[in-house]
Order: sequence, then structure tokens, then C-alpha cells
Amino acid sequence: EIMLTQSPATLSLSPGERVTLSCRASPSVSSYLAWYQQKPGQAPRLLIYDTSNRATGIPARFSGSGSGTDFTLTISSLEPEDFAVYYCLRRSTWPSLTFGGGTKVEIK
Amino acid sequence: EVQLVESGGGLVQPGGSLRLSCAASGFTFSSYSMNWVRQAPGRGLEWVSYISSSSNSIYYADSVKGRFIISRDNAKNSLYVQMNSLRHEDTAVYYCARVRLGYPDYWGQGTLVTVSS
Repeated sequence: EIMLTQSPATLSLSPGERVTLSCRASPSVSSYLAWYQQKPGQAPRLLIYDTSNRATGIPARFSGSGSGTDFTLTISSLEPEDFAVYYCLRRSTWPSLTFGGGTKVEIK
Repeated sequence: EVQLVESGGGLVQPGGSLRLSCAASGFTFSSYSMNWVRQAPGRGLEWVSYISSSSNSIYYADSVKGRFIISRDNAKNSLYVQMNSLRHEDTAVYYCARVRLGYPDYWGQGTLVTVSS
């Protein structure tokens, strides 16, 4: 069974700062990892898939990297609309789909 | 524009049943696999169930196996989940989500299911 551990649970930052979020997989998930953003009262939005590919319409300030067991989502300069919860997800390996526990990025 | 609209949520007593629907538009529904994903109040995301485009492959999370039944009607561009023997811990917002390249890409706005006496 795949486990995805996100850290930290909460980050307190200011607009304009650079953000690095971590997702650790056990065991390895190769490059099959995605990142989602969720704002309060909204559905999750796909940001990054297959580790580093931006989804349609996602700004260039969002980037993903990593492989195997360690993955990173980077926001180069936080915009006010980026304060949200971020989840990582291992690509479908049926019969299950695994989400990480999430990292909340809040305003400092 | 891809749109997914869930409906059917509400308040139900423990042990009761509920059927959720997801109406799809803006894409060729019959070409895509679909998921149900839920989120308990204040909690993270939990995958619930998957159905392939032709309904040939169906999977469930262990937490709902034997109680929930996923189905689809490609002629009506609709996805469903029949939820039986509901428990307090099934209380959540339920999202339908399209699958593309192995990932849920588009999500509906969700429908709230509350299991309480």
C-alpha cells in the first residue's frame, strides 16, 4: 500500500515569499505524482501531474520536481490567491488511489 | 467547458440509503473513467470509488466496499453512487471527478451527505 506523507502540516508565509512543499512516498511511486490546490468551500484543482507537468491554465510560478520517494511543489512567489491547502496524489494504481494528508499555506 | 454537477446529498439516518448523481457536460463522457472522492468536515481527501469508461472495471475503497455501488449511464452523461448502510463516518462532501492520464483532473463542486439521527 502506498503512503504519502506531506510536510509541514502548516506553513505561515507572507505574499511574495517562495514556498516549498514536500511529499514523501513509501514505497517509490516513480514519477507518478500530482499536486492539487484546494481553497475553502471549493473543489480541489489539479496543478501538477507526473511530477512536473503543469495542468491547463496553471501559472508558471507553480512547479514540481522529484522522483521515486521525494517530491516538491514550489511556488516561486506567493500571490494572495495561493493561500490554500495543497495535496499530493499518487497516480491511479487500481484498486486504490492515495492522497497525502495536505499542507495548509496560511497568511503570516 | 468541462462541467460536473453533483446532486442528491442530504441528511440521512444511520443505516439509511442515499443515491448521488453527477451530471457531466462539456466533454465526451463515455470516453473517460470517473471517480467519487469524499472529504469529511475539516479533513483531507479520501478516494471512494472508480469506474472505467465502459463500466468494465470498478473499484472501491475498503471503507465503503459492500455498501456503496458506483454506476454510470453514458447515454445520459451521468455518474452515480448508491450508498447503503450509511454510517456516521460517511458524513462528507462527495465529489465526482473525471480521470485523465490516471489523475482526477476536473472535479464537481461537491454535494454534502450528513449521516445523523
